Amino acid sequence: DVKVTQSSRYLVKRTGEKVFLECVQDMDHENMFWYRQDPGLGLRLIYFSYDVKMKEKGDIPEGYSVSREKKERFSLILESASTNQTSMYLCASSLRREGTNEKLFFGSGTQLSVL
Amino acid sequence: AQSVTQLDSQVPVFEEAPVELRCNYSSSVSVYLFWYVQYPNQGLQLLLKYLSGSTLVKGINGFEAEFNKSQTSFHLRKPSVHISDTAEYFCAVSLIGGYQKVTFGTGTKLQVIP
Repeated sequence: DVKVTQSSRYLVKRTGEKVFLECVQDMDHENMFWYRQDPGLGLRLIYFSYDVKMKEKGDIPEGYSVSREKKERFSLILESASTNQTSMYLCASSLRREGTNEKLFFGSGTQLSVL
Repeated sequence: AQSVTQLDSQVPVFEEAPVELRCNYSSSVSVYLFWYVQYPNQGLQLLLKYLSGSTLVKGINGFEAEFNKSQTSFHLRKPSVHISDTAEYFCAVSLIGGYQKVTFGTGTKLQVIP
């Protein structure tokens, strides 16, 4: 079965720190996504990537950047963490197949607290 | 751009009663539609999806959804719920073609009452 691994389950950082959230998938998926999940707001797409070194902004990219140097790894970067970035961060991946849309496989999430 | 609206943030229902969770989408082009479920303290998993063909889609755990293009809806239904169905349900949409970006709704918490 597909495994999407997020490096940390819980993370506590201070305001202004640079934060790296790492995500690795083991099924050779082309598509990778970063979402944040907040109560009452559902999942909001931050960035996604459809190939190595390729990225597209999602709905809420402000304050975030991403890196995809290898196919299996997709990193989310908070250049200067702020308290409003306290959230659950979910990574997902999917196979890219023409003419259809394959299901997303999610990691278990990283609960980030910015103090 | 695509968007999804889930009007009901919480739906309480008695065990063995039927349930419908509502989802409406907005898009200027054709879409794929999905329902994902998140059980307490677990990750999200796919419940069912509509890509094309029959507008009635059956998923896991006895759930089904009907795609209605004229009403831009994709409501999720189950004829008889169990305690184990207590979870948060998310509707999602993706444009046909393009980069396969998936946009989620705000979620509906289904609370099954014994």
